[in-house]
Amino acid sequence: ETGVTQTPRHLVMGMTNKKSLKCEQHLGHNAMYWYKQSAKKPLELMFVYSLEERVENNSVPSRFSPECPNSSHLFLHLHTLQPEDSALYLCASSLRRGTLYNEQFFGPGTRLTVL
Amino acid sequence: DQQVKQNSPSLSVQEGRISILNCDYTNSMFDYFLWYKKYPAEGPTFLISISSIKDKNEDGRFTVFLNKSAKHLSLHIVPSQPGDSAVYFCAASAGARQLTFGSGTQLTVLP
Repeated sequence: ETGVTQTPRHLVMGMTNKKSLKCEQHLGHNAMYWYKQSAKKPLELMFVYSLEERVENNSVPSRFSPECPNSSHLFLHLHTLQPEDSALYLCASSLRRGTLYNEQFFGPGTRLTVL
Repeated sequence: DQQVKQNSPSLSVQEGRISILNCDYTNSMFDYFLWYKKYPAEGPTFLISISSIKDKNEDGRFTVFLNKSAKHLSLHIVPSQPGDSAVYFCAASAGARQLTFGSGTQLTVLP
């Protein structure tokens, strides 16, 4: 148990569906991240929120839409996804001190399958 | 182009022996390096880190070595235990910004 929870753990959706992934951290951190992990590939950073402000967006398609209502919660809204978006989606959090992004603590991930 | 490379997708080691996991990087601006361990159906968990001002950091059975001139780091696990069987990711950051991960190495410790 890392103090970062993600729901749901598994999600199957059609290409026309709209769904949301949820992440919650109980560590008092002030930075949260979404990563995508495809088979045999490195973790790809999708979004970073620090102090509730999005500070990085690595050219992720607009069918992925993040939301960070407060420092403990992070959402990833999904709509009109493609089969190639099937992957493990990991949430992480860390404590940002000044400009330092400290070690990140990961949730268990949501295994997403797009049909 | 991958800036952090783990060229061995898998490694098998006998219990009690040393496991050595390797990682190479290309970005000379990287100044902080981390190792994460991942079990199936779980997220990665932080294992050990090293700053570029050091060349070695030790924590129990785990030691990370950094060779800046070769842009290479390695994780040594001694002695290896069956519970160490997992995927190990190395990661690096430049100027305390986002982490760049390698593709991982599956370690199997044989009893």
